Amino acid sequence: DQQVKQNSPSLSVQEGRISILNCDYTNSMFDYFLWYKKYPAEGPTFLISISSIKDKNEDGRFTVFLNKSAKHLSLHIVPSQPGDSAVYFCAASDRNSGNTPLVFGKGTRLSVIA
Amino acid sequence: DTGVSQNPRHKITKRGQNVTFRCDPISEHNRLYWYRQTLGQGPEFLTYFQNEAQLEKSRLLSDRFSAERPKGSFSTLEIQRTEQGDSAMYLCASSFRNQPQHFGDGTRLSIL
Repeated sequence: DQQVKQNSPSLSVQEGRISILNCDYTNSMFDYFLWYKKYPAEGPTFLISISSIKDKNEDGRFTVFLNKSAKHLSLHIVPSQPGDSAVYFCAASDRNSGNTPLVFGKGTRLSVIA
Repeated sequence: DTGVSQNPRHKITKRGQNVTFRCDPISEHNRLYWYRQTLGQGPEFLTYFQNEAQLEKSRLLSDRFSAERPKGSFSTLEIQRTEQGDSAMYLCASSFRNQPQHFGDGTRLSIL
């Protein structure tokens, strides 16, 4: 039973355009969400996070939006760059923190085309 | 910040053998986590430590799996009597206070 779902296995975007990666969750106890990026043969790297008390968090080119009523979050990357090509994982915690056990989605492979 | 270090990077073994992996966290990080990732899936939580205390174990962690963090620094994950289904990438992560987890590059286990 997938509690965190990333329904798009892959996404292709032109360089300079916006990339939007989506994530849905089913567990209403989740209150902290994170996005990790993973390159081949490397471990996941933390990108950005959001607490359930917020609906938006921004860090440079990366913005995460949270819609609690829909149990949906999205990661926006603008402008997209070829170096953003990677697998992106959405993760969730039910303890309002990123330093607790996380539940991950299956990931979305983003390809940014020059 | 030297990052989370995992050894070996790749382990090939025959079914039924025991294997042990090591994780060295970032030096000041008091929490250490083990995850397992199979092909096409995201990481799945196995267990985690705060200092030397094992705080939680997942239902995924069968009796054949044991993890230790003897002095609150490095950790080992041992799998006894390995099975085909144990083939996976084993990821270690560490964190400090309320900061996000930093992951190592993983140990890939292949069971022949």
